[in-house]
Amino acid sequence: EAQVTQNPRYLITVTGKKLTVTCSQNMNHEYMSWYRQDPGLGLRQIYYSMNVEVTDKGDVPEGYKVSRKEKRNFPLILESPSPNQTSLYFCASSLGARGLLGNSPLHFGNGTRLTVT
Amino acid sequence: GEDVEQSLFLSVREGDSSVINCTYTDSSSTYLYWYKQEPGAGLQLLTYIFSNMDMKQDQRLTVLLNKKDKHLSLRIADTQTGDSAIYFCASKGYSGGGADGLTFGKGTHLIIQP
Repeated sequence: EAQVTQNPRYLITVTGKKLTVTCSQNMNHEYMSWYRQDPGLGLRQIYYSMNVEVTDKGDVPEGYKVSRKEKRNFPLILESPSPNQTSLYFCASSLGARGLLGNSPLHFGNGTRLTVT
Repeated sequence: GEDVEQSLFLSVREGDSSVINCTYTDSSSTYLYWYKQEPGAGLQLLTYIFSNMDMKQDQRLTVLLNKKDKHLSLRIADTQTGDSAIYFCASKGYSGGGADGLTFGKGTHLIIQP
């Protein structure tokens, strides 16, 4: 089944303890992206990746890192989490971004609910 | 930056039609999408419309696009309890965020009354 898989679904951690949220897609998609969803603020893009080894900042990248060593995986790293990073996080992927593949829709994972105390 | 606006809540009676509205600012928008988010789940693509169309129908769903006014709507006929969810409008253009040019609205919470 074609899907975007995030792990873990729920995570409670303490301030400053490094964590990684994994994201994997099995659709051979080139484009991958991380969003956070907060009440009243909707979806905000954290980082995105056009292809392997190509990543770029979205609207709210501060406090986050990403890597894209393989096409299927796009982990989100919080080196020193803080309480303001408590949120619901979504990974998404699509066949392409702009251009010829630009109409390919985003496929979303089921989300990771992170609480930082 | 570009903006997509939608009202935060809509309450309808079961069996009635729901109409969720959205306005966007990106005049370069090529595609407009509706995503559905059920509780505890990610966003699922519901339907989309290309900017040179003004209407698209898919079973109970009708999408209307007024490109001149930059207004998009999603009509759900015969609304059921399973339609209860948050509905996100998104526009894709050359001015939007990220490499995909997507700008999302904040989502409309559709509440179904029995």
